[in-house]
Amino acid sequence: GQNIDQPTEMTATEGAIVQINCTYQTSGFNGLFWYQQHAGEAPTFLSYNVLDGLEEKGRFSSFLSRSKGYSYLLLKELQMKDSASYLCAVMDSNYQLIWGAGTKLIIKP
Amino acid sequence: GAVVSQHPSRVICKSGTSVKIECRSLDFQATTMFWYRQFPKKSLMLMATSNEGSKATYEQGVEKDKFLINHASLTLSTLTVTSAHPEDSSFYICSAREGQADYGYTFGSGTRLTVV
Repeated sequence: GQNIDQPTEMTATEGAIVQINCTYQTSGFNGLFWYQQHAGEAPTFLSYNVLDGLEEKGRFSSFLSRSKGYSYLLLKELQMKDSASYLCAVMDSNYQLIWGAGTKLIIKP
Repeated sequence: GAVVSQHPSRVICKSGTSVKIECRSLDFQATTMFWYRQFPKKSLMLMATSNEGSKATYEQGVEKDKFLINHASLTLSTLTVTSAHPEDSSFYICSAREGQADYGYTFGSGTRLTVV
């Protein structure tokens, strides 16, 4: 079966750095997405990785290792507004998105 | 960037009635739109893929007669929850993709449906 694993919840301190991991087992791979979702709102797109390596976008970076079926989202200089759920999703060989359950990130002052 | 507009954002309806949710791509054409359902503290569950000009493709376990999808044009897809029951109460979200995958999938703002 297809499976996306990510931690259920993480806690970090304002101003610090946090890494949210995602491992996947899917039938084929056509890219991995990270989305941010605040409570009661729809997800917003953060990043897309299809090749191995690190993609940096401001305070957020996303890393992919296809051989290991692994990705992480790195958030730097954490702000209180970064408190949200972070969803990992993989596009399989049929171009279907397989979603992880999301990681709830709690930022403390 | 791509914008997807979804209406209504919240709706309360009585059991047995039907509710229509609209999803529009505002500045791009979307031949395919996706409808998701999300339960509290759970991830997104794909319900169906809406294809312009053809029938929607429903995921296993989703009742096509209950969740009617119409993709009337390249910019509009609708989801109608027919004969709604309290267990249909949920957060419904649509999404579409403009162009290449690295632009990501853009989501509508979601519809919070409460059936009383």
